[in-house]
Amino acid sequence: SQQGEEDPQALSIQEGENATMNCSYKTSINNLQWYRQNSGRGLVHLILIRSNEREKHSGRLRVTLDTSKKSSSLLITASRAADTASYFCAGDSNYQLIWGAGTKLIIKP
Amino acid sequence: AAGVIQSPRHLIKEKRETATLKCYPIPRHDTVYWYQQGPGQDPQFLISFYEKMQSDKGSIPDRFSAQQFSDYHSELNMSSLELGDSALYFCASSSRDRESPLHFGNGTRLTVT
Repeated sequence: SQQGEEDPQALSIQEGENATMNCSYKTSINNLQWYRQNSGRGLVHLILIRSNEREKHSGRLRVTLDTSKKSSSLLITASRAADTASYFCAGDSNYQLIWGAGTKLIIKP
Repeated sequence: AAGVIQSPRHLIKEKRETATLKCYPIPRHDTVYWYQQGPGQDPQFLISFYEKMQSDKGSIPDRFSAQQFSDYHSELNMSSLELGDSALYFCASSSRDRESPLHFGNGTRLTVT
């Protein structure tokens, strides 16, 4: 089911800049997951943050979670052309995933 | 490491025909999900199974049905195909007990002519 929202819907930045994408949801969640999708390919899991965590890092990725505001952000630092893809968030609510609409990120060389 | 296997990779059918898509989850994953992604669209959740029982239902048309078998593989059956059914169909699997994220297959591209 898809009741989450992501913003922006599209983001175009220069290579080397940081990219921030936001995700909001409406129900309580056990964890929030971020995925990436290259055009025509399956989604690839990037990072999972649990409801009792506020921030998590993985390489150039930084995810924050604010359960009081029901929102999360994904920061990609020092972006590369290969980061061009669509990014989705998904909240796990009692084993049902609630998906955001996706942000299309374009990294300009 | 084994990934989610989907077959076929490509499928071309005519209107009103039927199609069967198959998904083989990662070993020991107990949950399977099906998604449909139309051209330029976000993936839409269709249906999921946990331990061979339907666990959640999304925007799956009545013309479609799915099941998960004793070996945990799943099949999506699509009947009376319409032009609008042309899309990428993804299967994903996860392990509920280990709170694992979804692992997606590379999808089946269905073209209805």
